[in-house]
Amino acid sequence: EAQVTQNPRYLITVTGKKLTVTCSQNMNHEYMSWYRQDPGLGLRQIYYSMNVEVTDKGDVPEGYKVSRKEKRNFPLILESPSPNQTSLYFCASFSGRAIDTQYFGPGTRLTVL
Amino acid sequence: GDSVTQMEGPVTLSEEAFLTINCTYTATGYPSLFWYVQYPGEGLQLLLKATKADDKGSNKGFEATYRKETTSFHLEKGSVQVSDSAVYFCALRTGSARQLTFGSGTQLTVLP
Repeated sequence: EAQVTQNPRYLITVTGKKLTVTCSQNMNHEYMSWYRQDPGLGLRQIYYSMNVEVTDKGDVPEGYKVSRKEKRNFPLILESPSPNQTSLYFCASFSGRAIDTQYFGPGTRLTVL
Repeated sequence: GDSVTQMEGPVTLSEEAFLTINCTYTATGYPSLFWYVQYPGEGLQLLLKATKADDKGSNKGFEATYRKETTSFHLEKGSVQVSDSAVYFCALRTGSARQLTFGSGTQLTVLP
């Protein structure tokens, strides 16, 4: 089954404690993205990756890092989380041959105290 | 820059009622337009799309027509069901861009 998986699904942490949210896809997609969803703002892109070792900033990259060492994985790293990063995070992937069909993971709800 | 404006929610309807969720956009060039649906506790799923003016996207009884003259892509369904309760997002993609620009989402609740 084609899918995008994220872990953890829920996370409560404290300010400054480094964390990583993992994302994995099994469709051999070149493109992967991270979005955050906040009430009244819809989804905003944080970072995206066009392929292994190729990443670029989205609209709201401050406070986040990403890496793409393998095609299937695209972890999101918060090195020093702050309360304004409390949000719902989604990973997405798609093929360069079908850029209008994006697949989203189930989401990770992060709370930073 | 590109932007998408959706009608404010939440929207509450009775089963079998007619649904319209308004969506308008501003974009450079000719965007592709999408509706995504997010069921409770799940990620977003593509509901329908249209890639050029006057195209009609349809799926699961939902329809939306790409109206270039009014820069709109309103979502409609003739008879909603309780299972349609979800958050609906309008989105666009322009040119060679690899990211989607989303509206703020509209929460729909359908009562039996």
